[in-house]
Amino acid sequence: GENVEQHPSTLSVQEGDSAVIKCTYSDSASNYFPWYKQELGKRPQLIIDIRSNVGEKKDQRIAVTLNKTAKHFSLHITETQPEDSAVYFCAASQYSSASKIIFGSGTRLSIRP
Amino acid sequence: DGGITQSPKYLFRKEGQNVTLSCEQNLNHDAMYWYRQDPGQGLRLIYYSQIVNDFQKGDIAEGYSVSREKKESFPLTVTSAQKNPTAFYLCASSSSRAGTDTQYFGPGTRLTVL
Repeated sequence: GENVEQHPSTLSVQEGDSAVIKCTYSDSASNYFPWYKQELGKRPQLIIDIRSNVGEKKDQRIAVTLNKTAKHFSLHITETQPEDSAVYFCAASQYSSASKIIFGSGTRLSIRP
Repeated sequence: DGGITQSPKYLFRKEGQNVTLSCEQNLNHDAMYWYRQDPGQGLRLIYYSQIVNDFQKGDIAEGYSVSREKKESFPLTVTSAQKNPTAFYLCASSSSRAGTDTQYFGPGTRLTVL
């Protein structure tokens, strides 16, 4: 079945620097890749997603890139701020009649002041 | 996010008891999901339902049961057969059966077995 691997599991960056989180997936039929942010004790919230017909998508300081050939996608956060500290989850899924989203194991991002 | 709610926020259970976690959504979403999250871990799928009166097992369904009698509601019962039920439980919904639709999460229920 589909498997999603996420790295690193923890990441600490200086405020103002960039952070990159990488994910790989196993099922070549996957065509939807969302990223969720979960603050401590709260629900995961979608921050950005990308579909297989595009290679990159940006939303202010956040960008996601997708390499379908290599089956990996990455989250890039630029000019990091303290409020970026959270756990980030990548996920992959495909359109089908019985589909479900498979989540990565999460990356705990800490922003150092 | 306000369209999907879970109750209670905290729940304490004695060993051997069944408990039911509530999940309600007013987003008119077809699909609903239950996940379990352990400290420092990712999200593991327990059950999901793509349409009323139908549901499928996820990766860790043993010891859990669900029902989907109404489109708006997808309650999860944690039975006494679940040996390690202490965890954070998240319900989610999406607008269609397609996996390519965004899932929206409820605020979660933290279950503790005493």
